[in-house]
Amino acid sequence: AQSVTQPDIHITVSEGASLELRCNYSYGATPYLFWYVQSPGQGLQLLLKYFSGDTLVQGIKGFEAEFKRSQSSFNLRKPSVHWSDAAEYFCAVNDYKLSFGAGTTVTVRA
Amino acid sequence: DTAVSQTPKYLVTQMGNDKSIKCEQNLGHDTMYWYKQDSKKFLKIMFSYNNKELIINETVPNRFSPKSPDKAHLNLHINSLELGDSAVYFCASSQVVAGGPHNEQFFGPGTRLTVL
Repeated sequence: AQSVTQPDIHITVSEGASLELRCNYSYGATPYLFWYVQSPGQGLQLLLKYFSGDTLVQGIKGFEAEFKRSQSSFNLRKPSVHWSDAAEYFCAVNDYKLSFGAGTTVTVRA
Repeated sequence: DTAVSQTPKYLVTQMGNDKSIKCEQNLGHDTMYWYKQDSKKFLKIMFSYNNKELIINETVPNRFSPKSPDKAHLNLHINSLELGDSAVYFCASSQVVAGGPHNEQFFGPGTRLTVL
């Protein structure tokens, strides 16, 4: 069965610093991978997705993610974090339904 | 022009009551979903409907009954509410392409259900 692991429960980063969130997936075939962000009290917004092709995917809000099949990973990155990036981040794999990781809480300090 | 909307946003009720949450999408999608987010923020799918047909029914108690009157609506009715039902419920929609990639799902703002 498909599954996603987000090893980091909580990450604190300084404003302006870089951010990397880890995601490892388990899936037999080519995975369809997504990163969603959930701001406090809000719904989920899609940051980016990977279906096939170029393994470096650009998303909204300056985020990018790299798919590495050899490592079964789909890590999310942002070069310079803004205070508004403080949120919960979810990695997900989609077969006919979305299976989410447990999420990573990002705190941004001034 | 909200894409996926849910009502109500907050729902506080007593144990044993029956309540409904409504969801509507104006994206023209053919598939809709209900997810439950627990207190630890873990998200898990409950149901999915494609063109008003139930296609996913995870191990959810029978007290939960989804209803899809048309492609744009998916409501969730919960009978005999229990303390453990307290959670945030998210509705989502997507357009499923047969044989193609599984497109992203668009989420509603969520309904926070509190059972006292």
